[in-house]
Amino acid sequence: QKEVEQDPGPLSVPEGAIVSLNCTYSNSAFQYFMWYRQYSRKGPELLMYTYSSGNKEDGRFTAQVDKSSKYISLFIRDSQPSDSATYLCAMSDDTGFQKLVFGTGTRLLVSP
Amino acid sequence: EAGVAQSPRYKIIEKRQSVAFWCNPISGHATLYWYQQILGQGPKLLIQFQNNGVVDDSQLPKDRFSAERLKGVDSTLKIQPAKLEDSAVYLCASSLGRQLNTKAFFGQGTRLTVV
Repeated sequence: QKEVEQDPGPLSVPEGAIVSLNCTYSNSAFQYFMWYRQYSRKGPELLMYTYSSGNKEDGRFTAQVDKSSKYISLFIRDSQPSDSATYLCAMSDDTGFQKLVFGTGTRLLVSP
Repeated sequence: EAGVAQSPRYKIIEKRQSVAFWCNPISGHATLYWYQQILGQGPKLLIQFQNNGVVDDSQLPKDRFSAERLKGVDSTLKIQPAKLEDSAVYLCASSLGRQLNTKAFFGQGTRLTVV
């Protein structure tokens, strides 16, 4: 079993839809939870990160962490074609941004 | 602020050949990472430097991979000899330091194809 599981997609939605992206994990030591966006042939770009459980909102993006279920989510409101990319979740224990364990990424396609 | 620079962007080599990738981190960033991203997978950490010292190389296949950061700035990752399964994107990332909330920023990567 992989430490971090993520549906590879692709997930296709129309412009304006609410998108839900999810990851599950098995390592209860994970404390830091990140979401990266990766456009084709580019490096990952940090979108959001949270520590421990709870929600965090930044513009159209909301990250949720449920440590009891070992489940994290990223919601994108009013999705735009420019949101079309691969979304990677990443996690680490008490090392912050060091020793990140990534999911496989979910490819999102937002059609106009 | 300039980002993490990597070169070359693309490289095609035959198996058993050697190859080297170069990374210039964001100015002032003491921590540097090399990740391997195989097609359809998330990045996997290969090695982490703090200045010019190795912090973690537990997932680096040391029989064929080597990396150095001699002056605590630029870094080079080498593969010798390459295998077909080394085909991947090699990503360099950097951060200011090892403090818990210090974000890591990625370069565009070097796409290696081994034939």
